[in-house]
Amino acid sequence: GQQVMQIPQYQHVQEGEDFTTYCNSSTTLSNIQWYKQRPGGHPVFLIQLVKSGEVKKQKRLTFQFGEAKKNSSLHITATQTTDVGTYFCAGGETSGSRLTFGEGTQLTVNP
Amino acid sequence: ETGVTQSPTHLIKTRGQQVTLRCSSQSGHNTVSWYQQALGQGPQFIFQYYREEENGRGNFPPRFSGLQFPNYSSELNVNALELDDSALYLCASRQGLPSYNEQFFGPGTRLTVL
Repeated sequence: GQQVMQIPQYQHVQEGEDFTTYCNSSTTLSNIQWYKQRPGGHPVFLIQLVKSGEVKKQKRLTFQFGEAKKNSSLHITATQTTDVGTYFCAGGETSGSRLTFGEGTQLTVNP
Repeated sequence: ETGVTQSPTHLIKTRGQQVTLRCSSQSGHNTVSWYQQALGQGPQFIFQYYREEENGRGNFPPRFSGLQFPNYSSELNVNALELDDSALYLCASRQGLPSYNEQFFGPGTRLTVL
C-alpha cells in the first residue's frame, strides 16, 4: 500500500532560524495536504498542492510539490514561538479517495 | 472551530470491553473519515463513509466497525478492546469523496484501555 515518510522526526530551532520538513511517498500522489497539530490539539489544515512542481506561499511558509508528485516540502522562514507544533503531510492516492499521513515533524522553537 | 464535534472527549475502558465513539460532521459534509493517532505518530486511516456506505478501509481488524447515519453523523465501534487501542481517535468530514476536497478534523476522543 501507499506509504508516506516524513523527515526529520524532530527539529529544535532557535527563534528566527529557518525550518524545513520533507515528505516522500512510495507512489505518485494525486494531491498533498499539510496539517499543523498543536500539543493536545487536532490536525488543522494548512494547504493543499495538486499540480506537479507547484509552489504555494502563506506568509513565512512555503510549500512545494515535486515534479514527479511523490515528494513535498514545507519551509518556514524565521521561525516564531507560535510555529511550535507537529507538521504532517498527507498524500491523496491517485486510485482512490483516502489520505495517507506521514509520521510528522515535531518542531520546537526556543525563544 | 471546524464545526466537527466528537463525543466523548475522554474515555477509559478495560481490555475486552466494547466502545462507541461519535462524530457529528460539519453541515453539508457527506464524507466522514476516521483515524487512529497513537502518541507521537501520525493519524492512521481506519475507514471512511460516504453517503452512509463504507468507502475505503485501512489496515485495521474487523473488530473496528462503523456506521454513518442519514444526517451524515458517524459512529466508530471497537469490540474486544486491546491495550494497543489506546489512542486519540479523530474523525474528519468533507464535502464529496475526492481526497483533494478540504477536510476538517474534530477535536478527537482520547481512549485509554487499561
